[in-house]
Amino acid sequence: DTGVSQNPRHKITKRGQNVTFRCDPISEHNRLYWYRQTLGQGPEFLTYFQNEAQLEKSRLLSDRFSAERPKGSFSTLEIQRTEQGDSAMYLCASSLDRGLHGYTFGSGTRLTVV
Amino acid sequence: KQEVTQIPAALSVPEGENLVLNCSFTDSAIYNLQWFRQDPGKGLTSLLLIQSSQREQTSGRLNASLDKSSGRSTLYIAASQPGDSATYLCAVFMNYGGSQGNLIFGKGTKLSVKP
Repeated sequence: DTGVSQNPRHKITKRGQNVTFRCDPISEHNRLYWYRQTLGQGPEFLTYFQNEAQLEKSRLLSDRFSAERPKGSFSTLEIQRTEQGDSAMYLCASSLDRGLHGYTFGSGTRLTVV
Repeated sequence: KQEVTQIPAALSVPEGENLVLNCSFTDSAIYNLQWFRQDPGKGLTSLLLIQSSQREQTSGRLNASLDKSSGRSTLYIAASQPGDSATYLCAVFMNYGGSQGNLIFGKGTKLSVKP
């Protein structure tokens, strides 16, 4: 297992465009998380899935954001009508069950909205 | 609401020094605490995980301690090297999640080790 994989690594988009990121978790992990990190800050929780069910969303997740995990394996995070304030590192993590044995993070997708 | 604070925000030391990074949290009802390393523009690499029943964990030159009652953890780095330069993040795992999520991070300590 190669760990948590995120694609693309970098994305530059014009304001108003839609973007989609993909995360492939560790195969035996049933929980998948999305976090957002801006410069100089720690990662902030966006949402998480247990298998294919999205169980929690942060208030940070506006209506322009949507996440899916259709078959309980990989997940996608889509941002519609991007704004400059969406520029950040988007991190994906996975864990077994509630994460009592730790979370494993991917390398992140750096989004720049111009 | 759980809040995690890391002090100092930045630290610069000469190579070879031993150093301590601090993490404090407001709600002591945590299940575990995880220290991560983040290189510029990269994702997070897990360094050490301390379960709530444990007091410390060691890996190579790294030692992390946990005192739940006082809401504190420290990460000790022995004989620092330039390759240790990175941002170190502390995160606590809570049983309750909600809109904050279960894993809550501090803002990190940016470490620079000078040759």
